[in-house]
Amino acid sequence: DIQMTQSPSSVSASVGDRVTITCRASQGISNWLAWYQQKPGKAPNLLIYASSTLPSGVPSRFSGSGSGTDFTLTISSLQPEDFATYYCQQANSFPLTFGGGTKVEIK
Amino acid sequence: QITLKESGPTLVKPTQTLTLTCTFSGLSLNTNGVGVGWIRQPPGKALEWLALIYWNDNKRYNPSLNSGLTITKDTSKNQVVLTMTNMDPVDTATYYCGALVDRSGIYYRKTFDYWGQGTLVTVSS
Repeated sequence: DIQMTQSPSSVSASVGDRVTITCRASQGISNWLAWYQQKPGKAPNLLIYASSTLPSGVPSRFSGSGSGTDFTLTISSLQPEDFATYYCQQANSFPLTFGGGTKVEIK
Repeated sequence: QITLKESGPTLVKPTQTLTLTCTFSGLSLNTNGVGVGWIRQPPGKALEWLALIYWNDNKRYNPSLNSGLTITKDTSKNQVVLTMTNMDPVDTATYYCGALVDRSGIYYRKTFDYWGQGTLVTVSS
């Protein structure tokens, strides 16, 4: 199985800050990586797929990059509605696996 | 608009079999490129993928749970059913169904584009 490791596990930031979350795969997955946002008590929501593609409706302050084993999710200017937990997921092969999550908290 | 909703028992006893139903609208498992799967999340923990079924009845399971999982589809009802045998308290979690849509109709997409609201299942005697 491909292990997905996210860091940090939590980050405290202020509105307007730039936030970067990393995700590392235990083996190469090309660009087959997705990011999800999950707010408390809610289902996850797809934020980015294929490492850097934003689905329709996702704000442009979110961006993703990376290929192979190392990936990054960046929020360019944190907004109040962005405080949530973020998960990466490898979409390269079965079994599908998720990272442990990164909680973005208010500083 | 694509929506999914999970239904099933909120409480099951250890060793019992759990049956969950995902009812969806706005998409069809008769359409090439469409898949529906299940993911769970224990309280306060990360997401774990369980199983997936595609439009052509291709089924995939998480091998760590494979022997206890069965996924089926009923295209006439727009439903996907997951059964999980021999439930244990460690299986207490919120269970989500999700839809995967490859617009080209060719590939087995492995990214969950749409999610249901989830249903909390508690395993306890």
